[in-house]
Order: sequence, then structure tokens, then C-alpha cells
Amino acid sequence: LAKTTQPISMDSYEGQEVNITCSHNNIATNDYITWYQQFPSQGPRFIIQGYKTKVTNEVASLFIPADRKSSTLSLPRVSLSDTAVYYCLVGDTLNTNAGKSTFGDGTTLTVKP
Amino acid sequence: DTEVTQTPKHLVMGMTNKKSLKCEQHMGHRAMYWYKQKAKKPPELMFVYSYEKLSINESVPSRFSPECPNSSLLNLHLHALQPEDSALYLCASSQSLTYEQYFGPGTRLTVT
Repeated sequence: LAKTTQPISMDSYEGQEVNITCSHNNIATNDYITWYQQFPSQGPRFIIQGYKTKVTNEVASLFIPADRKSSTLSLPRVSLSDTAVYYCLVGDTLNTNAGKSTFGDGTTLTVKP
Repeated sequence: DTEVTQTPKHLVMGMTNKKSLKCEQHMGHRAMYWYKQKAKKPPELMFVYSYEKLSINESVPSRFSPECPNSSLLNLHLHALQPEDSALYLCASSQSLTYEQYFGPGTRLTVT
């Protein structure tokens, strides 16, 4: 499985756009990229998933360049409640490894007033 | 219903006890997962069930025994645990193995 690398921490201010980049240099053809958010003492919450180019939903955008060796989670206009740990995962779509996603160390985002 | 429920919320057990953690979902998901999470660390995958069959066991010690009685339920049986097994145990489910996972709130386990 591809190993992921993210910044350990990031700071931002309310109302700003935040971009968190994840590196996954040895991503395989069948791998997809998923981002989760986790608050203390809670289970992770799904944010967005993508395979290539750009994906957008009501809470975030995910940018994946053509070589797919990295991905960027973009959170528009963050608020204090977006302070959390954000995890990038690379998962396999092949049956032999499907479901075997590995969480990286995550990025702790702190949003300040 | 888009919720995964876990019981109990908290559990304290001695090293000789036998206890079970329970997870339930009613979203029709056919894949279910157990993770272990230590403080300030990412979740670590323990077991994966797909269509009620164990598909992944990440070399978890035999003192942890998973069970999937039906498509909505997932249990984790605990026996002779060690203090280092104290952690937050998370259950998750997904439509299938390649879809996003929905996590429960976790069971905070303390082994004394």
C-alpha cells in the first residue's frame, strides 16, 4: 500500500481557505484517495474521495494532479469548528487489498479567531 | 439512518476478564471494520469483514476475536488483554470495500 506523508500541523484564521497537501509517491493505478476529519474522542468523518483531477462537494474540494503522486484537500472559509485532525488515505480497489486503507499520521489543523 | 453505533462507550476490564464490544449499522453496508486508536496516533486497522466473511486480519493477537453474526452487527470479543491494549476501539462500515467508511464514536477501553 502507498505510504502517505502530510504536514504534522497547520494554523489558519477564520474565514481563510486552507489547503492541506498529502504526498503519496508510490500510489498504484488502482488506488483512490480519501480524506477524513477527526475531532478528539470521536470517530473519523468522511470528507471527500477522488481518483484524479478535481472533486468537489458541499464541504471541500480535492485536487489531484495528473501524476497522482500528491493530492490537496481544500477547505473554503474555515471556522473555529474546523479545528481537527485531517487524514489522507490511499486505498486499493483491487479485491485482494480492498478495504486495507492505512491512515497516515494526519495533519492537525488549528483555526484561530 | 446514517449512523454507526457502538456499545459500550467506556469499558474498564481486568486482565483476566472476558468482555465484548458491539457495533451496529442499519445502512445496508456490506463491509465492516475494527480499528484501534491510541492517544494522538492514527487509527490502526485490525479486522475487515466483507459480506459477513473475514477478509483482512492485520496480524492481530488472538486475545482479540472478531465476529460478524449478520450484515448489521459486528462484535469484538476480548480475553486476557494487556494494559497496552487500552485504547479507543473504532468500528466502521462501508457500502463495499472500496467506498468511504462511516465510523462509530468508539469504545474507550481501559485494561487494568
